[in-house]
Amino acid sequence: GAVVSQHPSWVICKSGTSVKIECRSLDFQATTMFWYRQFPKQSLMLMATSNEGSKATYEQGVEKDKFLINHASLTLSTLTVTSAHPEDSSFYICSAVQGNYGYTFGSGTRLTVV
Amino acid sequence: TQLLEQSPQFLSIQEGENLTVYCNSSSVFSSLQWYRQEPGEGPVLLVTVVTGGEVKKLKRLTFQFGDARKDSSLHITAAQPGDTGLYLCAGIHRSAQKLVFGQGTRLTINP
Repeated sequence: GAVVSQHPSWVICKSGTSVKIECRSLDFQATTMFWYRQFPKQSLMLMATSNEGSKATYEQGVEKDKFLINHASLTLSTLTVTSAHPEDSSFYICSAVQGNYGYTFGSGTRLTVV
Repeated sequence: TQLLEQSPQFLSIQEGENLTVYCNSSSVFSSLQWYRQEPGEGPVLLVTVVTGGEVKKLKRLTFQFGDARKDSSLHITAAQPGDTGLYLCAGIHRSAQKLVFGQGTRLTINP
């Protein structure tokens, strides 16, 4: 089956620094990947759609300069949280679409900004 | 704006009881999915419903897609402690590929 690997699983960073999260499709090519954010005891909120070879499409209210998305290959999308602040602390999850198999999710990244 | 309204958001029942979780929207979806998520992990797909009126069963779980493809329900029969978790419905609009989630239902089954 389709597998999506997300790295790191957790990261702690200092306020003001940037953090990069990677999302890889291991056994399939994904022209489209999605990035979600999930606060404790809440559901997943779509942040942006990552398109291979083109600019990401951001949802309303998501700062594109704050959350940089790069989808440079068919198997890798990255989300960089720039100048992170404590309010950016959250669980970030990516997913990839594979043809008729639907959506496969990564295991998530717990970001803590101190 | 929450496109999918999921209810209840919290549910705590005793082992052996039945329960139903609802997912409603004013929008039409090309398909609707149900996921289960464990703490610290990504959601895992349980089922996809595509056709209006469709009913799918997964052991003690029964999923139904409304005739108008605007709503869905998840029914669990004889709930067990192992059913405890966060259940999420998610819809795919006809016009877009993106998957949008409901608020989730945090289910606790007490032994």
